Amino acid sequence: SYVLTQPPSVSVAPGQTARITCGGNNIESKSVQWYQQKTGQAPVVVVYDDSDRPSGIPERFSGSNSGNTATLTISRVEGGDEADYYCQVWDSSSDHRVFGGGTKLTVL
Amino acid sequence: EVQLLESGGGLVQPGGSLRLSCAASGFTLRRYVMGWVRQAPGKGLEWLSIISASGDATYYADSVKGRFTISRDNSKNTLYLQMNSLRAEDTALYYCAKDVNGDFPPLYYGMDVWGQGTTVTVS
Repeated sequence: SYVLTQPPSVSVAPGQTARITCGGNNIESKSVQWYQQKTGQAPVVVVYDDSDRPSGIPERFSGSNSGNTATLTISRVEGGDEADYYCQVWDSSSDHRVFGGGTKLTVL
Repeated sequence: EVQLLESGGGLVQPGGSLRLSCAASGFTLRRYVMGWVRQAPGKGLEWLSIISASGDATYYADSVKGRFTISRDNSKNTLYLQMNSLRAEDTALYYCAKDVNGDFPPLYYGMDVWGQGTTVTVS
């Protein structure tokens, strides 16, 4: 089955840029979604179809997808961005929705 | 306001059954693909199942295939998850989620509305 690999944690100082990666075999051929989950809350989609941003999501959140790595970039990080972030794709070979293991973003 | 409200969770013994419900409001359920995702305590998100807008197609994660059944009643604006042969490792918070559109299978986009979840404890 298709596997998505994320770093367990990323730390960044306020105002800096955070980059969270999601690795998968030829992931550039798939559409990648990113979800933000704050403690005790349900997930919220922050990027879909690689780089589209839902209404209400700040422009500071952006996505890219190339080769074997998709990346969620959060510019000008704020304390409120501290959360777990998950990437997700649809794997057509197994007809499964797949999540990455999640990355905990810590704002120093 | 678009909302999903899960119910039906609880404490069940190993081998037992539960049926989760997810009541949808603020949108026309029959137009959208729907699904279930769970999160074990302290763990990440695990996709479980997905159902087409009409209900005529379903897919399951290997971990629940043959034990769980997803269904929907569009006339009642409700999604269901019938869970049988429950195991300790099924203990989790169960979320229902709405897809962005009715495309099936959902090659693009993903889930744009989530419920707050219902807790299932198998012990």
